[in-house]
Amino acid sequence: GAVVSQHPSWVICKSGTSVKIECRSLDFQATTMFWYRQFPKQSLMLMATSNEGSKATYEQGVEKDKFLINHASLTLSTLTVTSAHPEDSSFYICSAPGDANEQYFGPGTRLTVT
Amino acid sequence: GDSVTQMEGPVTLSEEAFLTINCTYTATGYPSLFWYVQYPGEGLQLLLKATKADDKGSNKGFEATYRKETTSFHLEKGSVQVSDSAVYFCALSEWSGGSNYKLTFGKGTLLTVNP
Repeated sequence: GAVVSQHPSWVICKSGTSVKIECRSLDFQATTMFWYRQFPKQSLMLMATSNEGSKATYEQGVEKDKFLINHASLTLSTLTVTSAHPEDSSFYICSAPGDANEQYFGPGTRLTVT
Repeated sequence: GDSVTQMEGPVTLSEEAFLTINCTYTATGYPSLFWYVQYPGEGLQLLLKATKADDKGSNKGFEATYRKETTSFHLEKGSVQVSDSAVYFCALSEWSGGSNYKLTFGKGTLLTVNP
């Protein structure tokens, strides 16, 4: 079946530094990937749609200069949180579309900014 | 815009109890409907789906029927187990342009099953 991986699974960084999170489709190609943010005990909020070969599409209210997305290949999308602050601490989840409008989700990356 | 409203939790049940988690939606078109499950510390896994009205999705003893007339997709299981303890998300998928479909999620319902 379709598998999406994320790396790292958790990361702790200092305020002001940047962190890169990778999302890979392991056994299929994905021209599109989605990045979500999940706050504790809350639902997933779509941040942006990552498009291979073109710019990402950001949802309203998401700072594109803070959350840099690069869809480097048909199996890899990266999310870089620049100049991270404690309020950026969250669970970040990526997904890739599959058949019948389904999405395959990665296991998530827990970011803690100290 | 599209939205999903699901029963707020937390829901606490004893093992072998009957489970219902209500989910209703609003959408401008004809969405596909999903239930995703998130176990502690993990990402989301697809539990079941239905792509058109009157379809019934089922998996691992869970069922949900796509009811267009009531715009609902309630999740049910006849006999829950401790291992079913997780957060359950109802979601809809609609076309967002090109070949892309966006998922809109409900807020999630935390289920705890006690032995």
